[in-house]
Amino acid sequence: ILNVEQSPQSLHVQEGDSTNFTCSFPSSNFYALHWYRWETAKSPEALFVMTLNGDEKKKGRISATLNTKEGYSYLYIKGSQPEDSATYLCASTSGTYKYIFGTGTRLKVLA
Amino acid sequence: SQTIHQWPATLVQPVGSPLSLECTVEGTSNPNLYWYRQAAGRGLQLLFYSVGIGQISSEVPQNLSASRPQDRQFILSSKKLLLSDSGFYLCAWSTPGGVRNEKLFFGSGTQLSVL
Repeated sequence: ILNVEQSPQSLHVQEGDSTNFTCSFPSSNFYALHWYRWETAKSPEALFVMTLNGDEKKKGRISATLNTKEGYSYLYIKGSQPEDSATYLCASTSGTYKYIFGTGTRLKVLA
Repeated sequence: SQTIHQWPATLVQPVGSPLSLECTVEGTSNPNLYWYRQAAGRGLQLLFYSVGIGQISSEVPQNLSASRPQDRQFILSSKKLLLSDSGFYLCAWSTPGGVRNEKLFFGSGTQLSVL
């Protein structure tokens, strides 16, 4: 994998549903994997930064896991709420100062 | 606390006109600075990054250039805009010293429409 890829591209879920997204990134020269939430009319904000294989991070109802050997990360949202509606971006950093972003997963939570 | 300012918020420019977008960071010294662009229906594309005054790395051959005339100032420019330069431009900074697992802090963005 040469680029950072995210799936699905967009997702509609009902309020209360749990959901998850995938981020695939180059496993060679891996340094860190970031997750950001980008709400409409706002700036992207960092959710998690993960560096170690097997890392798990949690913030309220949102959690993330990291597998650096196979090059993927999952973001989970438990009990989705309308305020979770946003675009979720992942970014990978390797042996440079570059943060390479995926195309994002656009989540819409229906009340 | 640190803040990042980016302006203007929106800009409509004719093809062939020049461009200057400015970004400044307050409350920190020697930040790493970044310009990203989101074209319609696409993700964030890294355009330029800088780890110090006068040090600019370009990621994508294009019609744009960047400069860092002062420690906390990052400018995106073009001499002649193309239609394909339209998009949403974001400035961002990260911790000085270039620790690569530090998160990015983004400005509020500039929506550029080239007509």
